[in-house]
Amino acid sequence: DGGITQSPKYLFRKEGQNVTLSCEQNLNHDAMYWYRQDPGQGLRLIYYSQIVNDFQKGDIAEGYSVSREKKESFPLTVTSAQKNPTAFYLCATPRNPGSGANVLTFGAGSRLTVL
Amino acid sequence: EDQVTQSPEALRLQEGESSSLNCSYTVSGLRGLFWYRQDPGKGPEFLFTLYSAGEEKEKERLKATLTKKESFLHITAPKPEDSATYLCAGGNTDKLIFGTGTRLQVFP
Repeated sequence: DGGITQSPKYLFRKEGQNVTLSCEQNLNHDAMYWYRQDPGQGLRLIYYSQIVNDFQKGDIAEGYSVSREKKESFPLTVTSAQKNPTAFYLCATPRNPGSGANVLTFGAGSRLTVL
Repeated sequence: EDQVTQSPEALRLQEGESSSLNCSYTVSGLRGLFWYRQDPGKGPEFLFTLYSAGEEKEKERLKATLTKKESFLHITAPKPEDSATYLCAGGNTDKLIFGTGTRLQVFP
């Protein structure tokens, strides 16, 4: 969607397993973000990266890990340490190169369900 | 503590029946107030940015306004295709702080 692609769309995980969600963008933007959305709650920031090989924790980073080895890719790993991983995960990048952290283009999301 | 509160949680309108959605906010280091639209099962889509009290932005049947503590999204003569969840967010340098959204349903 809008140059940012998330996969898979749906993912099921057994308790104790790590899973990795993919996020790829072809907009050549430096910054990328991961948000989590739960019913009845606003989107919350998990991790963000302003540049390749660098990333920062957001508000709810515990139980998650990320990497930023390439500009176009920002995968999110949901580890077994995440106590309540069932959620809708959204990746985003700035809508325009100078629009910062607030005007974002989001991917279509990945829905993770723990069985 | 940063907080964004939206009301009502859900709103059902007849086609053509105008109404308003409310967003109250307390965000440290606020750079602006942002509105997004989200369709079921999809990512949010950017609508508006508001930077200062008194500012207004319009797009088709939507108009967003801002005061020092609140923002309103006015929907004039809505159509069924306006049905979606509307998200309000306060933005600082690093992130957006989202409200829980207002789910709008417009019936023919």
